[in-house]
Amino acid sequence: DAGVIQSPRHEVTEMGQEVTLRCKPISGHDYLFWYRQTMMRGLELLIYFNNNVPIDDSGMPEDRFSAKMPNASFSTLKIQPSEPRDSAVYFCASSLAGAWTGELFFGEGSRLTVL
Amino acid sequence: AQSVAQPEDQVNVAEGNPLTVKCTYSVSGNPYLFWYVQYPNRGLQFLLKYITGDNLVKGSYGFEAEFNKSQTSFHLKKPSALVSDSALYFCAVRASGYALNFGKGTSLLVTP
Repeated sequence: DAGVIQSPRHEVTEMGQEVTLRCKPISGHDYLFWYRQTMMRGLELLIYFNNNVPIDDSGMPEDRFSAKMPNASFSTLKIQPSEPRDSAVYFCASSLAGAWTGELFFGEGSRLTVL
Repeated sequence: AQSVAQPEDQVNVAEGNPLTVKCTYSVSGNPYLFWYVQYPNRGLQFLLKYITGDNLVKGSYGFEAEFNKSQTSFHLKKPSALVSDSALYFCAVRASGYALNFGKGTSLLVTP
């Protein structure tokens, strides 16, 4: 089975540009999470969805960040406009609530560099 | 808020020696605790969990963790470290819903 798939793996952009990160969760999983990893702040939960509905977006830093999940197999995290402090690795993870074991399945991350 | 703390940024151990990576927790109610591992340029991988039951939990790759309620700790252990165990280790606690809050991570370096 394919795991969580994220794209792009690496993105370098200039300040002010729009960035879109993409995630395909594991088929059948009904929870999807977006995390951000930086050296200073570690892993931060940004937002998570259940059955495509946003449940908790309290971790989204500010209005420049938005996330959508139009269907069960696709989610996006958008930053507009991007700033250098957004440079981080962004992880998507999915899980299955019905057989919840606490195991989140992570993608390999999207490394974002904003110049 | 449900949180965990990892007091050590880095742990160094010689191959073949036992290793311990420390984690303490702060929760309201019963804690659901986890350990994850991250290898370079990869996502996090689940190692083990404590939900209820035995205080000693066994997980993947020979790792185990001991839940200690009186000390609010959940330390990760392995009797004999391997060089291939070198990685970043994260302790986590169940937050709202099915989300997890992670600690800042501890870098484990096992030297030959």
